[in-house]
Amino acid sequence: DAGVIQSPRHEVTEMGQEVTLRCKPISGHNSLFWYRQTMMRGLELLIYFNNNVPIDDSGMPEDRFSAKMPNASFSTLKIQPSEPRDSAVYFCASRRDGPSSYEQYFGPGTRLTVT
Amino acid sequence: KNQVEQSPQSLIILEGKNCTLQCNYTVSPFSNLRWYKQDTGRGPVSLTIMTFSENTKSNGRYTATLDADTKQSSLHITASQLSDSASYICVVNPPGAGSYQLTFGKGTKLSVIP
Repeated sequence: DAGVIQSPRHEVTEMGQEVTLRCKPISGHNSLFWYRQTMMRGLELLIYFNNNVPIDDSGMPEDRFSAKMPNASFSTLKIQPSEPRDSAVYFCASRRDGPSSYEQYFGPGTRLTVT
Repeated sequence: KNQVEQSPQSLIILEGKNCTLQCNYTVSPFSNLRWYKQDTGRGPVSLTIMTFSENTKSNGRYTATLDADTKQSSLHITASQLSDSASYICVVNPPGAGSYQLTFGKGTKLSVIP
């Protein structure tokens, strides 16, 4: 199994530019999560999809952030326009919902730097 | 106030020594408590998982303990190796089928030096 795949691994952009982060969950997993990690706040849930449907987007900071999951094997997180305070590592995680296991598997992350 | 507090924030130990990382939580009730290891530049990987009724769980040189009365958990690493250098994150999972809103600690950064 290839694990959760994220791209790009690193992104450097200027303030005001649009940024799109991509995620391919583990095949067969039906839940997908986007997280943001900073030194100050640790890991924070941004949005949760179940069976491609957004269930909880209360963690999305503001309207500049949007996420989509057009099919079971692909999701994007978009920031438009980006700001320096968006600099962080963004993780995608997936899991297969079942009666006894709810473990989330994390991707390698995308390190975003907004200058 | 963060519902999951970890200590120390960082720790440096010599290779071969043992260490213990602490996690205090206020999340209640909860379904399970996990310890994750996060290597630099990588995503977190689960080390152990304990339900509220379990007191200890081992995974090789890693042993996690849980005291539900005092709401404390610890992760003990035996005979540390250079590859143990990483951040260790304590995570509490709320109860309920399909629960997803994990509460994360900010982690303890462990450095093992030769």
